[in-house]
Amino acid sequence: GDSVTQTEGQVALSEEDFLTIHCNYSASGYPALFWYVQYPGEGPQFLFRASRDKEKGSSRGFEATYDKGTTSFHLRKASVQESDSAVYYCALGRGSALGRLHFGAGTQLIVIP
Amino acid sequence: EAAVTQSPRNKVAVTGGKVTLSCNQTNNHNNMYWYRQDTGHGLRLIHYSYGAGSTEKGDIPDGYKASRPSQENFSLILELATPSQTSVYFCASGDAQFNERLFFGHGTKLSVL
Repeated sequence: GDSVTQTEGQVALSEEDFLTIHCNYSASGYPALFWYVQYPGEGPQFLFRASRDKEKGSSRGFEATYDKGTTSFHLRKASVQESDSAVYYCALGRGSALGRLHFGAGTQLIVIP
Repeated sequence: EAAVTQSPRNKVAVTGGKVTLSCNQTNNHNNMYWYRQDTGHGLRLIHYSYGAGSTEKGDIPDGYKASRPSQENFSLILELATPSQTSVYFCASGDAQFNERLFFGHGTKLSVL
């Protein structure tokens, strides 16, 4: 079945550091890929999505590129801020049932001022 | 901004008791979802609905029922609660016209003792 793997459980960075959170997926065909962000005490919030090979999604300075060859959708940001501290989830959805998401385990980002 | 409201925010239940978690959305979205969040698992889909009167099983439906009496309301029911159902539960709404971007509530923290 479909699955999403996030290899880092936690990432700790200093402000202005470059961020990479790795996301790999296992699925046939061309699923849609998503990033969601969750701040303490809140529900996850949609960050962006991509649906086709080589498509780039972006929002709030974060970006990720759909790569079918490496089955990856890594999240990157050039310069993180303390306010970016949160849990980031990579997720996968399909066709007409895009709301039926398969989430990764999540990566907690801690940004030290 | 889309709004999804969950109640209660916190719930303590006894093993074998009945628990009902409620969700209301004012987005007029057709689709609604119940997910549970556990460390190491991310979010997993329990039940979902495509409209009033419909409910469908998600990936982990055992031990849960769902009810969608209206467009706005979607409930998750634990007829016989067990300690393994201790978790944080999130309700979400979405619609095809938004490319199924999901809008989540703030969550319900359930403890089954």
